[in-house]
Amino acid sequence: DSGVTQTPKHLITATGQRVTLRCSPRSGDLSVYWYQQSLDQGLQFLIQYYNGEERAKGNILERFSAQQFPDLHSELNLSSLELGDSALYFCASSVPGASDNTIYFGEGSWLTVV
Amino acid sequence: GNSVTQMEGPVTLSEEAFLTINCTYTATGYPSLFWYVQYPGEGLQLLLKATKADDKGSNKGFEATYRKETTSFHLEKGSVQVSDSAVYFCALSSSDQFYFGTGTSLTVIP
Repeated sequence: DSGVTQTPKHLITATGQRVTLRCSPRSGDLSVYWYQQSLDQGLQFLIQYYNGEERAKGNILERFSAQQFPDLHSELNLSSLELGDSALYFCASSVPGASDNTIYFGEGSWLTVV
Repeated sequence: GNSVTQMEGPVTLSEEAFLTINCTYTATGYPSLFWYVQYPGEGLQLLLKATKADDKGSNKGFEATYRKETTSFHLEKGSVQVSDSAVYFCALSSSDQFYFGTGTSLTVIP
């Protein structure tokens, strides 16, 4: 158990809909990262938050947004869903600034768009 | 910029064979290097890491040495088991950013 909790574990929704994925980082971790893993594109970095502020942005679509709340949990919002958004979405967390900074992953949220 | 290149898969080995998965990196500064493993249907788990040149990370019989002169962090295991079948990701960390390779799928057959 990495200590990173993601909900829901599985989600099936229709095209055009909106979903929210939730992540609770490990205790004490200030940074949260979101990744998308699909069969044809591997592991894609979406976005990073540090203590409530956006820190880095990767290949995140404009239809997607995220935020990190004062209690450090994070949500990834996916809207106007398309079939191609079906993927495994990972949240990860770390303690930035540590000399041996390590990123720990949750179990992921499986999203199926039908 | 920072990037990680790891050998293409899939890799298929017989049980008790020797495993090497190559990983090279490009980085500014002094990155930390990692190997993560993803078993079927699960998230990525930290397998081992090394934080400075010449460090050797090891875990569960796997090991990798941080080679600054060749910018490499190859994963090795002397005798693989069926339970090692998974996808392996090489990664680097620099300035709180993490960069992952594309993953190498390993299948070990009895």
